[in-house]
Amino acid sequence: GAVVSQHPSWVICKSGTSVKIECRSLDFQATTMFWYRQFPKQSLMLMATSNEGSKATYEQGVEKDKFLINHASLTLSTLTVTSAHPEDSSFYICSASGGQTDTQYFGPGTRLTVL
Amino acid sequence: QKEVEQDPGPLSVPEGAIVSLNCTYSNSAFQYFMWYRQYSRKGPELLMYTYSSGNKEDGRFTAQVDKSSKYISLFIRDSQPSDSATYLCAMSFTGGGNKLTFGTGTQLKVEL
Repeated sequence: GAVVSQHPSWVICKSGTSVKIECRSLDFQATTMFWYRQFPKQSLMLMATSNEGSKATYEQGVEKDKFLINHASLTLSTLTVTSAHPEDSSFYICSASGGQTDTQYFGPGTRLTVL
Repeated sequence: QKEVEQDPGPLSVPEGAIVSLNCTYSNSAFQYFMWYRQYSRKGPELLMYTYSSGNKEDGRFTAQVDKSSKYISLFIRDSQPSDSATYLCAMSFTGGGNKLTFGTGTQLKVEL
């Protein structure tokens, strides 16, 4: 199957700082990448969809100025959480699709803790 | 009413049992159906993907889709403790990695 990586796997930061999370498709070209967040014992909540070279499409209720998404290449998308606060602490997961893939393949996730 | 309904469990079975996991959906426009397995603190892993009614088998896993009843199932044969995880059903209107609608996930525990 298609392989998607995320970096870092976990990060702890102070309130008010910004954090960047990278999502890479390792063996295929991802024309579309998705960003999710997941709270404990809950399902995935889609935050935004990004197509390579285009602005991301955000889901209702997701602040686009707070969660900056860049999809500059066919193998890399980044999510930057700006001015992070404790309520932004969560598990962030990306997925990717494109090329010969027929559905979304997920990364291993990034656990963000904001102190 | 949620678009996709899935019993959250937890579901506890003995090792070697056949496990049946199910989802129902309300929108007949869903055409593509997936099952993901998610271990604690990990990203979801694609187990099965299908777009037609009927059964699809892969090793110990069988995915079943009944579009007329808007019902999908995942069967796990000879369940193992390593199958203990949360199982998420997901579906989309079109293929090619378009937006997925997820069930809430069923937590499965396979006990020795």
